[in-house]
Amino acid sequence: EVQLVESGGGLVQPGGSLRLSCAVSGFTLSSYEMTWVRQAPGKGLEWVSYISTSGSSMTYADSLKGRFTISRDNAKNSVYLQVNSLRAEDTAVYYCARVADTNDGFDIWGQGTMVTVSS
Amino acid sequence: DIQMTQSPSSLSVSVGDRVTITCQASQDISNYLNWYQQKPGNAPKLLIYEAVNLETGVPSRFSGSGSGTEFTFTISSLQPEDIATYYCQQYDNLPSMYTFGQGTKLEI
Repeated sequence: EVQLVESGGGLVQPGGSLRLSCAVSGFTLSSYEMTWVRQAPGKGLEWVSYISTSGSSMTYADSLKGRFTISRDNAKNSVYLQVNSLRAEDTAVYYCARVADTNDGFDIWGQGTMVTVSS
Repeated sequence: DIQMTQSPSSLSVSVGDRVTITCQASQDISNYLNWYQQKPGNAPKLLIYEAVNLETGVPSRFSGSGSGTEFTFTISSLQPEDIATYYCQQYDNLPSMYTFGQGTKLEI
């Protein structure tokens, strides 16, 4: 079964950091581009970051550049999102998603991990 | 940056209705437009890719049309299980960047 499982979320103080992980199974990670998408409580979807199959190319939403870093370890079947200098407005469910191999749709999603930034 | 304007933000519907949602891009995006469905408490689900192509397993009552700057998502006959929020998403390839529309919440 194709599956993405996020972890690493939690309660963090403003200015703090977290490393979110996305463990994949059921497919060969090295063959797929991956992304992170977040959703603040009661709000819409916001694309966060993208990483190429080899990890050599990464992109970020303009509003998040410099604070978030995406990475991957194909040998460990995992994708990561390092989130630094967290602010209250970063409070959201963070989803890991797979980019389809024949188009640019996000065809497989994880269940999400909640990040709450509060003192 | 390309901006996506999705409308309406909410829609009161009934079972059997024909439902239409529109998405407008701030500049020509060719057919680089996807549509997603999200039910409360669940992750989004890809329904339509490249503006008009139905994802495998998605019922044929869902369809998409458009190119350039104007796109339309249609449910031909609304079923109870279609009550959800729907999002459009545009993408650029060089570099890979994505933008979601604001979402359309269907309400009975």
